[in-house]
Amino acid sequence: DIQMTQSPLSLSASVGDRVTFTCRASQTISSYLNWYQQRPGKAPTLLIYAASSMQSGVPSRFSGSGSGTDFTLTINSLQPEDFATYYCQQSYSSPHSFGPGTRLDI
Amino acid sequence: QVQLVQSGAEVKKPGASVKVSCKASGYTFTSYSIHWVRQAPGQGLEWMGSINPTGGYTDDAQKFQGRVAMTRDTSTSTVYMELKSLTSKDTAVYYCARDFGAGGFYYFDSWGQGTLVTVSS
Repeated sequence: DIQMTQSPLSLSASVGDRVTFTCRASQTISSYLNWYQQRPGKAPTLLIYAASSMQSGVPSRFSGSGSGTDFTLTINSLQPEDFATYYCQQSYSSPHSFGPGTRLDI
Repeated sequence: QVQLVQSGAEVKKPGASVKVSCKASGYTFTSYSIHWVRQAPGQGLEWMGSINPTGGYTDDAQKFQGRVAMTRDTSTSTVYMELKSLTSKDTAVYYCARDFGAGGFYYFDSWGQGTLVTVSS
């Protein structure tokens, strides 16, 4: 099974900041990497798929990059609604594992 | 628009089973697999398995094999997830999600609202 790790596990930032999260797979997954945002008490929502493709309706301040085993999610100019938990997930092979999440706090 | 609507919260005793439903609308039900993901209180997301609505083929995480059963009813566009032999560790919010694919890449583009399952004596 492919193990996903994320760093940091938590991050404090301010409105207007630029933040970057990292996700690493235990083996190469090409670009089969998705990012989700989850606000407290809500279902996750898709942000980025195929490592760098933005889901329709997602603000352009979100961007993803990487391939192989190392991936990043960047948020430019943080907005109040961006404070949430972010999960990466690999869709390369079953089981479609998630990372532990990065909690972004004010 | 695509919608996945799940059944309501459940309270079960240890050793019992629970069956959660996920009704799909706004798209062709048989065109996309449905996955189940759970989240224990204060914890991360855990993939449980998936079902292909066309043939009913399932793919379950090894952790749940023998304890989980995913089925579908194409006449009502509904997918079911039954988890047996519940313990307190199964207390979680259970989500269904649609697996959308484009260019060979697959991702969960729509999610149900979640169903809280509480296991308590």
